[in-house]
Amino acid sequence: EADIYQTPRYLVIGTGKKITLECSQTMGHDKMYWYQQDPGMELHLIHYSYGVNSTEKGDLSSESTVSRIRTEHFPLTLESARPSHTSQYLCASSPPTRNTEAFFGQGTRLTVV
Amino acid sequence: QKEVEQDPGPLSVPEGAIVSLNCTYSNSAFQYFMWYRQYSRKGPELLMYTYSSGNKEDGRFTAQVDKSSKYISLFIRDSQPSDSATYLCAMSERNFGNEKLTFGTGTRLTIIP
Repeated sequence: EADIYQTPRYLVIGTGKKITLECSQTMGHDKMYWYQQDPGMELHLIHYSYGVNSTEKGDLSSESTVSRIRTEHFPLTLESARPSHTSQYLCASSPPTRNTEAFFGQGTRLTVV
Repeated sequence: QKEVEQDPGPLSVPEGAIVSLNCTYSNSAFQYFMWYRQYSRKGPELLMYTYSSGNKEDGRFTAQVDKSSKYISLFIRDSQPSDSATYLCAMSERNFGNEKLTFGTGTRLTIIP
């Protein structure tokens, strides 16, 4: 089983609140990713990082932000949650020479009411 | 048009049947092809990985790539109820550097005991 952890697993929060989704991995991977997954839709890459102090926006525009201060930690923040942010958020990491082998966390299911 | 097309299903088959899951793609530069399995309320996990055209077998699973037709398949023999999950295909042009994965929407599979 992959050593990548996401907290919380489920979150229901009111509109306008600031939230941070946590993601940590113990594999020492430099590359980390955040995906958004909606039912019946493909995984959309929203943020990625190739190492400490490196962050990039993904293919899907997102109002969230990320930071990478430590190799093992890649949190995602929404400054003001809206119902349109309701989705499943998946964090992943991959080894340096094998992008194809992405290890995923269990996901955070976010509901904004 | 999406780069990767995958029939979302759902697909229900009796236990012991042979299952065929498929994806088509439009980007001829894709060289690395993967199948991920995602159980309910879990993150995806890498199931099979193939490079370029050809077949790869792992136990009851066979991955097949036909680059000339831009078509990939995953076959599951002697299907078991524990195979019930969503299967996502994913592709990339390279497996190193700044490459990212492109996912299909996933096919939801149920094996009926």
